[in-house]
Amino acid sequence: NAGVTQTPKFRVLKTGQSMTLLCAQDMNHEYMYWYRQDPGMGLRLIHYSVGEGTTAKGEVPDGYNVSRLKKQNFLLGLESAAPSQTSVYFCASYPGPTTKRDTQYFGPGTRLTVL
Amino acid sequence: GNSVTQMEGPVTLSEEAFLTINCTYTATGYPSLFWYVQYPGEGLQLLLKATKADDKGSNKGFEATYRKETTSFHLEKGSVQVSDSAVYFCALSGQGGSEKLVFGKGTKLTVNP
Repeated sequence: NAGVTQTPKFRVLKTGQSMTLLCAQDMNHEYMYWYRQDPGMGLRLIHYSVGEGTTAKGEVPDGYNVSRLKKQNFLLGLESAAPSQTSVYFCASYPGPTTKRDTQYFGPGTRLTVL
Repeated sequence: GNSVTQMEGPVTLSEEAFLTINCTYTATGYPSLFWYVQYPGEGLQLLLKATKADDKGSNKGFEATYRKETTSFHLEKGSVQVSDSAVYFCALSGQGGSEKLVFGKGTKLTVNP
């Protein structure tokens, strides 16, 4: 199993450009998450999904959109990038509360710089 | 709402020193508590967890005890190694499981030989 993978690993954008970050998991997990990690701020939840076709807002959703058309994929979109969106983005998946392995599984991260 | 406060870093220790990273929380009900570790250039991975009061989580020589009376979950290790250099995050979730995690800001640990 590859676990949770993220594409791309690095990206540099200019202000106003758009892009999509792809997260894929091969563990058949129901829940998926997008976080951003900023120095001194820990991880903050952007959006999450509790199943295919569902999405919900997290703590810092403004400026981002997401889609979960397939169970294994969770896409994070930036329609008009801003320098404040410079961050490291982590995707995570979670099997569900009734399973033994009660933890979220994280991808390796995408480092995004917006100039 | 739920929140986690952990000690500010960075923390620098010599190999074989004793480690404590403090973590306190505010939550309603009976949350589960976690420590995650992030090695350089990688994502987070679960280090240990505790799901009820007085539970002790342990892994790789690290320990933390769920103290409801002091709302704390301090991470300890008796003898750190260079390979323990990483960022450590304390986190909590609501009752039922890990669906919604709230993270502390992270503490960077550097262990020198």
